[in-house]
Amino acid sequence: NAGVTQTPKFRVLKTGQSMTLLCAQDMNHEYMYWYRQDPGMGLRLIHYSVGEGTTAKGEVPDGYNVSRLKKQNFLLGLESAAPSQTSVYFCASSYSSLYTEAFFGQGTRLTVV
Amino acid sequence: KNQVEQSPQSLIILEGKNCTLQCNYTVSPFSNLRWYKQDTGRGPVSLTIMTFSENTKSNGRYTATLDADTKQSSLHITASQLSDSASYICVVSVPWNNDMRFGAGTRLTVKP
Repeated sequence: NAGVTQTPKFRVLKTGQSMTLLCAQDMNHEYMYWYRQDPGMGLRLIHYSVGEGTTAKGEVPDGYNVSRLKKQNFLLGLESAAPSQTSVYFCASSYSSLYTEAFFGQGTRLTVV
Repeated sequence: KNQVEQSPQSLIILEGKNCTLQCNYTVSPFSNLRWYKQDTGRGPVSLTIMTFSENTKSNGRYTATLDADTKQSSLHITASQLSDSASYICVVSVPWNNDMRFGAGTRLTVKP
């Protein structure tokens, strides 16, 4: 089983460029999440989805958009990248139950210059 | 202010020794508390998960405790190994959307 797969693993963008990060899970999970991890801070929730076709804002949504057109995929978009978006991005998925494990992808290291 | 605080920020121990990591949280109400291990350059991997009614949960050499009254949790690692070198993250989930609130983690280094 692949689990949670993120694409790409590394990316360097110039300020103002756009890109899309792809998260794919093969566990039939309802919930999917996008987090960013910055040095000295805990992971912070950007956006999340509780099912196909639904998305919601998390703690730090500004500058990002998401889509969940298929249950297995959750896309994170940056329309106009800024240096403040330099970070490591993690996707996670879980069943809807409150007491089940969340599985994380390997992360995408994004640098905006 | 972060709702999940971990201490210490970093810790160095010798192989074979035990250690205890601390987590204090203010998230309320909460549905569960988890401990994750994150190796450098990898995503977090779950070690334990406890509901608010559980006091302790073990996973091999890892034992987590929870005191919901004082809003404290600890992760005890027994007979440490070099492979235990990683960041350990305390995560508290809120009940309405399973949103996870992350601590900044404790960076553990096990030396031979």
